[in-house]
Amino acid sequence: GESVGLHLPTLSVQEGDNSIINCAYSNSASDYFIWYKQESGKGPQFIIDIRSNMDKRQGQRVTVLLNKTVKHLSLQIAATQPGDSAVYFCAENNYNNAGNMLTFGGGTRLMVKP
Amino acid sequence: DAGVTQSPTHLIKTRGQHVTLRCSPISGHKSVSWYQQVLGQGPQFIFQYYEKEERGRGNFPDRFSARQFPNYSSELNVNALLLGDSALYLCASSYGLSEQFFGPGTRLTVL
Repeated sequence: GESVGLHLPTLSVQEGDNSIINCAYSNSASDYFIWYKQESGKGPQFIIDIRSNMDKRQGQRVTVLLNKTVKHLSLQIAATQPGDSAVYFCAENNYNNAGNMLTFGGGTRLMVKP
Repeated sequence: DAGVTQSPTHLIKTRGQHVTLRCSPISGHKSVSWYQQVLGQGPQFIFQYYEKEERGRGNFPDRFSARQFPNYSSELNVNALLLGDSALYLCASSYGLSEQFFGPGTRLTVL
């Protein structure tokens, strides 16, 4: 498949370890955030979301933490598996009076070593 | 159920040509958004359509246009192609103005 990002920051972890991917956002008015996973040759896939009235949300093997004070998000993946290898993006979902748009961060490539 | 579908998968054009990309949303979804993803970067918002009306437009030149049809499918048109338009063009659909589900994208190469 075709790479989605050749010059992205890369996080390399051993299979079974926990992974932490970080993201900074810019709009202090943003109130809804989403993490996406993008595998080579595919579109972004929803992983987990969080609203600004929360600071932590857990899913299956994934946890998102939100620190509004410093405008920082993190995605924690427990017991990382080879299938987790992909590029991960955080996105702010911004609503206006007409619609909504996603503003994506630059992405982090996660490589899982067997 | 079928997810978001896009056509074509790949496309090669030359500078100055125009291109039309197509998107079919998930059945029942009424909103379609278009994003451009340049290699090595995150997707950038181009347009959003809901109930056939434009609801948002990103910072793209007028060479980019789009429309949504009565069956909620959508086309993205780009005129006077430039080398810098080479990218993966992603379509996302949502029921209302909520969680967006992405298609596999169309890879456009401009020579």
